[in-house]
Amino acid sequence: AVQLTQSPSSLPASVGDRVTITCRASQGISTALAWFQQIPGKPPKLLIFDASTLESGVPSRFSGSGSGTDFTLTISSLQPEDFATYFCQQFNNYPYTFGPGTKVDI
Amino acid sequence: QLQLQESGPGLVKPSETLSLTCTVSGGSINNFYWNWIRQPPGKGLEWIGYIFYSGSTNYNPSLKSRVAISVDRSKNQFSLKLTSVTAADTAVYYCARHITVTDPLDYWGQGTLVTVSS
Repeated sequence: AVQLTQSPSSLPASVGDRVTITCRASQGISTALAWFQQIPGKPPKLLIFDASTLESGVPSRFSGSGSGTDFTLTISSLQPEDFATYFCQQFNNYPYTFGPGTKVDI
Repeated sequence: QLQLQESGPGLVKPSETLSLTCTVSGGSINNFYWNWIRQPPGKGLEWIGYIFYSGSTNYNPSLKSRVAISVDRSKNQFSLKLTSVTAADTAVYYCARHITVTDPLDYWGQGTLVTVSS
């Protein structure tokens, strides 16, 4: 199975900060990567797919990049509602796998 | 707006079978892939498997010997059975959709907590 690692695991930040989260795959997955946001008690919400395509309705302060094994999620200016945990997920190979998550908190 | 809703017992005894159903509303179950994913409390996400509306399945090898996913197109539902459960199967279970095998999981249910305990 494709292993996904994320860094950092925890990210203290403030409103207005530019935040970058990285996701690394154990083997090449082309651009078959998605990013999700999860608020406690809620299901994951799709933010970005195909590594860099913004899901409809997601604010433009979110962006993604990368291909192969290295990917990044960037939030250009952190808003109060963005404090959450972020997961990457690959859908290039079965079984689908998720990264361990990055918690963005104050 | 497509909505998915998980239902089933919140408590299952060790060695018994966990059974959950996902009801799809606001759209048809036809032509899509329907997934189960779980998340132990405070931990990460694990993909369990999917069923295509026609009935073909794909399971995570780590759970394959204990998992069965089925679909009832007449009820717009699909179901999960996980046999021989242990405390390690305690998790929030989510159902979710993807459109094709090269698409992400775009719609998710709210999730349901299943606790394995005697």
